[in-house]
Amino acid sequence: DIQMTQSPSSLSASVGDRVTITCRASETISSYLNWYQQKPGQAPELLIYAASTLQSGVPSRFSGSGSGTDFTLTISSLQPEDFATYYCQQTYTMGIFTFGPGTKVDIK
Amino acid sequence: QVQLVQSGGEMKKPGASVKVSCKASGYSFISYGISWVRQAPGQGLEWMGWLSPYNGNTNYAQKFLGRVTMTTDKSTSTAHMELRSLRSDDTAVYYCARGNTAAGGDHLYYYMDVWGVGTTVTVSS
Repeated sequence: DIQMTQSPSSLSASVGDRVTITCRASETISSYLNWYQQKPGQAPELLIYAASTLQSGVPSRFSGSGSGTDFTLTISSLQPEDFATYYCQQTYTMGIFTFGPGTKVDIK
Repeated sequence: QVQLVQSGGEMKKPGASVKVSCKASGYSFISYGISWVRQAPGQGLEWMGWLSPYNGNTNYAQKFLGRVTMTTDKSTSTAHMELRSLRSDDTAVYYCARGNTAAGGDHLYYYMDVWGVGTTVTVSS
């Protein structure tokens, strides 16, 4: 099975900072990569699919890039509501999907 | 509006089974897949499996093979996930999520765009 890793596992940042989270797949997954945001006590929410397509309603400060094995999620200017945990997910193998371990973004 | 309404929390003893339901509304149930994802306390997301309400096809994560069964009832637009032989480490919040697709060139991208609020399953003697 394809394994996903994320770095860092956690980070501290301030409002207004530019934040970048990296996700790596154990083998090539083309652009079959999604990003989700989860706040404590809530279900995850889709941010980006197909590596770089912003889900409807998601603020434009979120962006995704990458293909193959290396991907990034960027928050251009961190807002108070962005403090959360972020997960990548590969959907390369239809019906066998896996998540990364998550990156927690908290307040510096 | 599009939503997935999950059944209420469950408390089970080790060795028992649990069946969690997920009722869809606001969209054509058979036109989208359903994935199940769980999250143990303080842990990350774990994808459990996927099924197609259209034809009943399923794919389960290797870890759950033989212990999980995912089904749908098209008459009520409801998906079910049954997990058997429960252990304490099955204690988690179980989510259902709608699987959507987007075409891009020769590719068909799959993503989970609508989530239920989660069902807490506690396994304890």
